[in-house]
Amino acid sequence: GEDVEQSLFLSVREGDSSVINCTYTDSSSTYLYWYKQEPGAGLQLLTYIFSNMDMKQDQRLTVLLNKKDKHLSLRIADTQTGDSAIYFCAEREGYQKVTFGIGTKLQVIP
Amino acid sequence: DTEVTQTPKHLVMGMTNKKSLKCEQHMGHRAMYWYKQKAKKPPELMFVYSYEKLSINESVPSRFSPECPNSSLLNLHLHALQPEDSALYLCASGQQSGSTNEQFFGPGTRLTVL
Repeated sequence: GEDVEQSLFLSVREGDSSVINCTYTDSSSTYLYWYKQEPGAGLQLLTYIFSNMDMKQDQRLTVLLNKKDKHLSLRIADTQTGDSAIYFCAEREGYQKVTFGIGTKLQVIP
Repeated sequence: DTEVTQTPKHLVMGMTNKKSLKCEQHMGHRAMYWYKQKAKKPPELMFVYSYEKLSINESVPSRFSPECPNSSLLNLHLHALQPEDSALYLCASGQQSGSTNEQFFGPGTRLTVL
């Protein structure tokens, strides 16, 4: 499968913005996703972006896609303690498979 | 109903036991997935069912046997597992190709093999 890389850990203060970065390798990926996983729970789809878009905004979430550099980022505005979780970047591979990055653990300090 | 449910939530089994994990969705999705997730790792795809037929098997050992009795249900039958099979098993469902392929995950079954 293709590699999706993320930094392992990010710590921010409550109220600040968080930016989680991801690089992927498959330039033919049509969709890229951000999933959130809270401790002991399944994955929750936060947002996705189609590969012909540069940016997508959804309330506090902003996704930026740099297709040339194969770089994807997720910005969370006004980060809250409830945002503490592991965030997985993922890319669509073929018709049915999704490849996940290793996950970035976001710690929000009150 | 917009959720994927999984039972049981936790399962402890011995290496000689036979058990099954169950997954259910009522969103009309025709693709269903089994993933295995070890601690501090991303989910790893095991199986994909498309229109109730097995379409992807990621070289999973035969001690894991999936079954899709109908479009809403997905089972994973377990037999003669090893301690290293202990993990969180996640089920997901989604639309078929041509869509965004968003996958909706259940809460998982935490499996411990003694």
